[in-house]
Amino acid sequence: QSALTQPASVSGSPGQSITISCTGTSSDVGGYDYVSWFQQHPGKAPKLMIYDVTNRPSGVSNRFSGSKSGNTASLTISGLQAEDEADYYCCSYTSSTTVVFGGGTKLTVL
Amino acid sequence: EVHLVESGGGLVQPGGSLRLSCAASEFTFSSYEMHWVRQAPGKGLDWVAHISGSGNTIYYADSVRGRFTISRDNAKNSLYLQMNSLRAEDTAVYYCARERGHWNDFDYWGQGTLVTVSS
Repeated sequence: QSALTQPASVSGSPGQSITISCTGTSSDVGGYDYVSWFQQHPGKAPKLMIYDVTNRPSGVSNRFSGSKSGNTASLTISGLQAEDEADYYCCSYTSSTTVVFGGGTKLTVL
Repeated sequence: EVHLVESGGGLVQPGGSLRLSCAASEFTFSSYEMHWVRQAPGKGLDWVAHISGSGNTIYYADSVRGRFTISRDNAKNSLYLQMNSLRAEDTAVYYCARERGHWNDFDYWGQGTLVTVSS
């Protein structure tokens, strides 16, 4: 199972919005509404930010939103804040009854 | 507050074995499916294995199938990963993660335990 494709890095200024894409295939992202997004700060465990494509766990800011079109899922962060600077990973269920992650995107807040 | 604590990592020679444990607390362990996810130094996340709440249903990543065994002891609120025939490419921080309900919605993670495979 190949990793999902994410941009290596994105950046934005405080207050701006950014979008991170996550491209897979019809056997994973496109085939199921089981796409999650995780935030990881250096030296820390990942944190669930979005599940089932669009849902936010309790306690996650509504500045974070998810969507999907075809084989590509997206994470949008609005009103960028300094603490949003982190690595972000998308994740999908697959038709092989496995889980596949994206390669990760480093978000820099300028 | 849900708590997951991994242990058992360390330095092992190629071809060797290691058993990781994950102690769970503050939730009904047997009601949740659990996973192991690893992260090589400086690299991305890599899913390893899944086990159902009862332990009857198990799935593995192709890279570890036949070498790793996931198991659980619900009486002890513990998750395990037996790793055999270890390779250099298995070097990583290993996390246990609780599944919220839909396969990859890992809502709680442990702090991770480092496994280093080297001679």
